[in-house]
Amino acid sequence: ETGVTQTPRHLVMGMTNKKSLKCEQHLGHNAMYWYKQSAKKPLELMFVYSLEERVENNSVPSRFSPECPNSSHLFLHLHTLQPEDSALYLCASSHLPRDDGTGGALNRAFFGQGTRLTVV
Amino acid sequence: KQEVTQIPAALSVPEGENLVLNCSFTDSAIYNLQWFRQDPGKGLTSLLLIQSSQREQTSGRLNASLDKSSGRSTLYIAASQPGDSATYLCAGTNAGGTSYGKLTFGQGTILTVHP
Repeated sequence: ETGVTQTPRHLVMGMTNKKSLKCEQHLGHNAMYWYKQSAKKPLELMFVYSLEERVENNSVPSRFSPECPNSSHLFLHLHTLQPEDSALYLCASSHLPRDDGTGGALNRAFFGQGTRLTVV
Repeated sequence: KQEVTQIPAALSVPEGENLVLNCSFTDSAIYNLQWFRQDPGKGLTSLLLIQSSQREQTSGRLNASLDKSSGRSTLYIAASQPGDSATYLCAGTNAGGTSYGKLTFGQGTILTVHP
């Protein structure tokens, strides 16, 4: 148990469906992240939320829509996905790095167990 | 742009052996370097974090080092056990407020420890 919980663990959806992934952390962190892990590719950052504000969208298609209603919850809304979007989606949280470069230990990232998404 | 590379891609060793996993990064302006473990189909478990001002960190049978000047980190596993079998990932976070703690990952090393 890492303190970051993702639901559902597995999801199968058709290309016309709309579904949402949920992530919850109770570690008091002020940053939350969505990563995508596809077969034979390194983990890729999708979105970053800092203090509930989206600060990075890593060229992700608009069929993925994140939402961060508060510092403990993060959602990834999915609609009209393609089969190539099938992957393991991982949520993570951490404290933000400090501008003065100190406090690196606080930036330890904690990951959820992931949602295995299959698009058919 | 930070790039992270891990060598080897896969490693198979007999139980009890000491082993070293390698990670290299291109941008020395690194805030910290983290090592993670991932079991098949699961999330990532944080193993060790080395701050930019540190040279190594230890946890049990694991020891990780960081050499910013050469852009390298190593994860040393002593007396390996079958339960250590997993994928090991290293990831760097760049310094600066606009990094927002984003992790840049290597491709991982798949470790198999056989009895």
